[in-house]
Amino acid sequence: NAGVTQTPKFRVLKTGQSMTLLCAQDMNHEYMYWYRQDPGMGLRLIHYSVGEGTTAKGEVPDGYNVSRLKKQNFLLGLESAAPSQTSVYFCASSRDYRGNEQFFGPGTRLTVL
Amino acid sequence: DAKTTQPTSMDCAEGRAANLPCNHSTISGNEYVYWYRQIHSQGPQYIIHGLKNNETNEMASLIITEDRKSSTLILPHATLRDTAVYYCIVTLASNFGNEKLTFGTGTRLTIIP
Repeated sequence: NAGVTQTPKFRVLKTGQSMTLLCAQDMNHEYMYWYRQDPGMGLRLIHYSVGEGTTAKGEVPDGYNVSRLKKQNFLLGLESAAPSQTSVYFCASSRDYRGNEQFFGPGTRLTVL
Repeated sequence: DAKTTQPTSMDCAEGRAANLPCNHSTISGNEYVYWYRQIHSQGPQYIIHGLKNNETNEMASLIITEDRKSSTLILPHATLRDTAVYYCIVTLASNFGNEKLTFGTGTRLTIIP
């Protein structure tokens, strides 16, 4: 099992450019999440999904969109990147509500110039 | 979700037990205590969780006080690889599941050789 994988690992964007971060999990988990982590801060939830075809807003959803077309994939989109979106992005997945052990990916380091 | 308070940083000698405290005085009866850790530049890693009984697994032990207002994570024989930021999280088990984990700033644990 690869667990949770994220693509790409690093990316540099210019202000206004768009991009999509891909998260994939091979554990057949129902729940998936996108977090961001800024220097000196804990993780903040952007969006999450409780199953294929569903998405919901987290703590800091503005400027991001997500899609969960397949159970194993959770995509995070930035339509018009801003410098404030420079951050490390982590994806996670969990089995279901009976256990909140979330498995995290290795992260994507995004810089917006 | 209840708020948690953790020391900003701690040191522990290699081979000794590391005891990480967490205060959660406003915890409610159906909220769980979770511990995660984040080794530098990696995604967070689940350690252990509990409701009101003490718990132990291959990584650590979790001691929750009888009034549930505080808990202690114990790493019995700390190694250099345990150097990380440790997050104590209190979260509610809702009907839809524990969709959201609120990560604070955690405790930076440094294991001293």
